Amino acid sequence: AQKVTQAQTEISVVEKEDVTLDCVYETRDTTYYLFWYKQPPSGELVFLIRRNSFDEQNEISGRYSWNFQKSTSSFNFTITASQVVDSAVYFCALSEVRAGGSYIPTFGRGTSLIVHP
Amino acid sequence: NAGVTQTPKFQVLKTGQSMTLQCAQDMNHEYMSWYRQDPGMGLRLIHYSVGAGITDQGEVPNGYNVSRSTTEDFPLRLLSAAPSQTSVYFCASTNSGTEAFFGQGTRLTVV
Repeated sequence: AQKVTQAQTEISVVEKEDVTLDCVYETRDTTYYLFWYKQPPSGELVFLIRRNSFDEQNEISGRYSWNFQKSTSSFNFTITASQVVDSAVYFCALSEVRAGGSYIPTFGRGTSLIVHP
Repeated sequence: NAGVTQTPKFQVLKTGQSMTLQCAQDMNHEYMSWYRQDPGMGLRLIHYSVGAGITDQGEVPNGYNVSRSTTEDFPLRLLSAAPSQTSVYFCASTNSGTEAFFGQGTRLTVV
């Protein structure tokens, strides 16, 4: 079973639509970290947000918002009023403790977002 | 402030050849890791290191070798390249619980 499930392989929207990218994770740890990254067509990986397991506050940053719900093991990402520049692959990731006490992230398969003008 | 420096950016290998992908970080991060990215598969962990002299296997370690002699460097070796190793490779560094910083990626083609 995947530790991080991004069930939406590809989403296509028209500019100015709102879009939500889903992320469901699986862990038995009480301390863990969740992340979202963006990979634009140029290929680099851009960090968007980090959330630890003890902080369930939702966060808003401009047009981006994140909804963390431990009860459903979900960490969803919403883009409000999408723009063409939002077109990218978005990855959700989970860091839980590994052997040796390290936290190395495990990534979902990504959701490709295409925003049409 | 270089962050994570990964070389080369592109490489073409023939089946059976060996090569080393270089990765260096200047942030004094404890943890370093290598991922491969294949279409539809996300980033899969190959090997990781929790400090100099300490490495461990990730999800897809076969065909790859790593070592970490210093905090800064974490090279990835392909011992005998196979077409199945055609992929984009990313090196990352992080401290416990912080976000991972990634290199620019290496696009490797094995023919």
